[in-house]
Amino acid sequence: GAVVSQHPSRVICKSGTSVKIECRSLDFQATTMFWYRQFPKQSLMLMATSNEGSKATYEQGVEKDKFLINHASLTLSTLTVTSAHPEDSSFYICSARVKKSGTSGGLNEQFFGPGTRLTVL
Amino acid sequence: QKEVEQNSGPLSVPEGAIASLNCTYSDRVSQSFFWYRQYSGKSPELIMSIYSNGDKEDGRFTAQLNKASQYVSLLIRDSQPSDSATYLCAFYNAGNMLTFGGGTRLMVKP
Repeated sequence: GAVVSQHPSRVICKSGTSVKIECRSLDFQATTMFWYRQFPKQSLMLMATSNEGSKATYEQGVEKDKFLINHASLTLSTLTVTSAHPEDSSFYICSARVKKSGTSGGLNEQFFGPGTRLTVL
Repeated sequence: QKEVEQNSGPLSVPEGAIASLNCTYSDRVSQSFFWYRQYSGKSPELIMSIYSNGDKEDGRFTAQLNKASQYVSLLIRDSQPSDSATYLCAFYNAGNMLTFGGGTRLMVKP
């Protein structure tokens, strides 16, 4: 399958600082990338959808001024958690959709990065 | 009704047995169905995609899709302890967004 990388894998920061997480599609171009958050023992929660060259679309309840998303190229999207607080501590996972040519249905598969575990002290 | 329903488990099977995971969905329009595996503390990993009715086999995994009955299943043959994980069923909804079930936790006992 296609490979999605994320950096850093783990970050610990002080309250009030900003943290940037990078997501790269390594062997394909991703017109659409997604950012998810997952708390322990809970389901994935979609935060936002990011299309290359345009503003991200945020899910209801996600503060766009707090979670800044930039999709600068077809292989790179970044998520910046601004003024992080302890309640922002979570597992952040990016995902990228591969556009495949196909004859019937099923044109896209979505692959996930390894995730970034953020701990805000 | 939830868009995707899965039994949360845990589903416990002995090593070497067949594990059967099931999923039902409500959106008749969907054409693409996926199974992801998620180990504790890790991100989801795509293990199977299925688009047509019938069976699709990949190694020890077989995905089965029945669009008329709106269910998709995953069979894992010769289950190994390393298969112990949460298995997420997913499909694209009418808004072209990947929609997940709550996941089934599988435990394979040596």
